[in-house]
Amino acid sequence: DVKVTQSSRYLVKRTGEKVFLECVQDMDHENMFWYRQDPGLGLRLIYFSYDVKMKEKGDIPEGYSVSREKKERFSLILESASTNQTSMYLCASRTGPEQYFGPGTRLTVT
Amino acid sequence: AQSVTQPDIHITVSEGASLELRCNYSYGATPYLFWYVQSPGQGLQLLLKYFSGDTLVQGIKGFEAEFKRSQSSFNLRKPSVHWSDAAEYFCAVGANNAGNMLTFGGGTRLMVKP
Repeated sequence: DVKVTQSSRYLVKRTGEKVFLECVQDMDHENMFWYRQDPGLGLRLIYFSYDVKMKEKGDIPEGYSVSREKKERFSLILESASTNQTSMYLCASRTGPEQYFGPGTRLTVT
Repeated sequence: AQSVTQPDIHITVSEGASLELRCNYSYGATPYLFWYVQSPGQGLQLLLKYFSGDTLVQGIKGFEAEFKRSQSSFNLRKPSVHWSDAAEYFCAVGANNAGNMLTFGGGTRLMVKP
């Protein structure tokens, strides 16, 4: 079974803090994704990566950056957290059309 | 650009009753179609997928979905709902090409009455 893990299930941070969300997959997938999930809006793509050190902006990249130094790990970075970044963050990976998701990190910025 | 609409934000059904969740998509060619389920506090789990071939696809947990090209729909069905089916359901469409990004609908939250 494909396993995608995320470093934290719940996270509370203060406005202005730098926040790191980590995602690890164990299936040697080339493609990895970060989404945010908000009620009524479904999942919106923040960034994705086709390979190590390669990244592409998704639909809502503002306020976020990413890092992919190793194939199995894809990090989402909030340089200066703001309250409007309070959300559920989901990581996914894939090798074909189907994406496999991690359990999510619920981030609250106060 | 592709898009997905799930017209029902909330649905409540009685345990044992049948279920149909609607999904309409917009895409110029034959898409890849998916249904995912998210239980409270969990990530997304794939229920079923359609790539090509038979338009009625079977998934896990007794779910099925039918691809109707003429209606641009991919509705999810289950003949008899169980209390454990209470969750949020997401329909997604992917382009039938190498880039193949997924676009998700807004989700339908299913509540099951005893």
